[in-house]
Amino acid sequence: QVQLQESGPGLVKPSETLSLTCTVSGGSISRYYWGWIRQSPGKGLEWLGFNHYSGTSNYNPSLKSRVTISVDTAKNQVSLKLRSVTAADTAVYYCAGDGGFGCWYYYWGQGALVTVSS
Amino acid sequence: EIVLTQSPGTLSLSPGEAAALSCRASQTISSNYLAWYRQEPGQSPRLLIYDTSKRASGVPDRFTGSGSGTDFTLTISRLEPEDFAVYFCSHYDDSLGLTFGGGTKVDI
Repeated sequence: QVQLQESGPGLVKPSETLSLTCTVSGGSISRYYWGWIRQSPGKGLEWLGFNHYSGTSNYNPSLKSRVTISVDTAKNQVSLKLRSVTAADTAVYYCAGDGGFGCWYYYWGQGALVTVSS
Repeated sequence: EIVLTQSPGTLSLSPGEAAALSCRASQTISSNYLAWYRQEPGQSPRLLIYDTSKRASGVPDRFTGSGSGTDFTLTISRLEPEDFAVYFCSHYDDSLGLTFGGGTKVDI
């Protein structure tokens, strides 16, 4: 059974870069498409983008200039970098994966709360 | 931009009752990329339905997805305690990416 575990700083200063890592266990990282989805406190879901080890990727048009998602097959990890953050980027960030070409996600991490504050 | 509007915002029902949740797209979308998720309090979303009507692995058959064009429905035939949660629909488009609806809360 594929399991995902997000990790990274829980507090990031405004204008800095938010960096999270998702460690994948129980399955081959190259088999799936890996995405990041976030959820602001009490709000809905917002997709940031996905990447596949082959290099196929897609990003939310509204965040594309600030987001990078990378897949490291050697470490079995997926990383997220979100640049120039503001308080509006405060959210629970989920790592998620599926074989459905990034169109839906079966596997989810438990989520990592990231607060943007000085 | 494709906007997914879910209704009702909140559905108040009792265990054992049936529920019908609506997801309406602002324009015609492909049924191939329409999915539904359930998010229980304090938990991560769980994929229930993909491709409009296919149940994800391990999903009970009380969950049924249907629809086409702009109107899609998730039907729950008999509500179990764990079904009192928030439900999201989503749609993927190569140009626009993955969009989620605002959610429907099913509560007692």
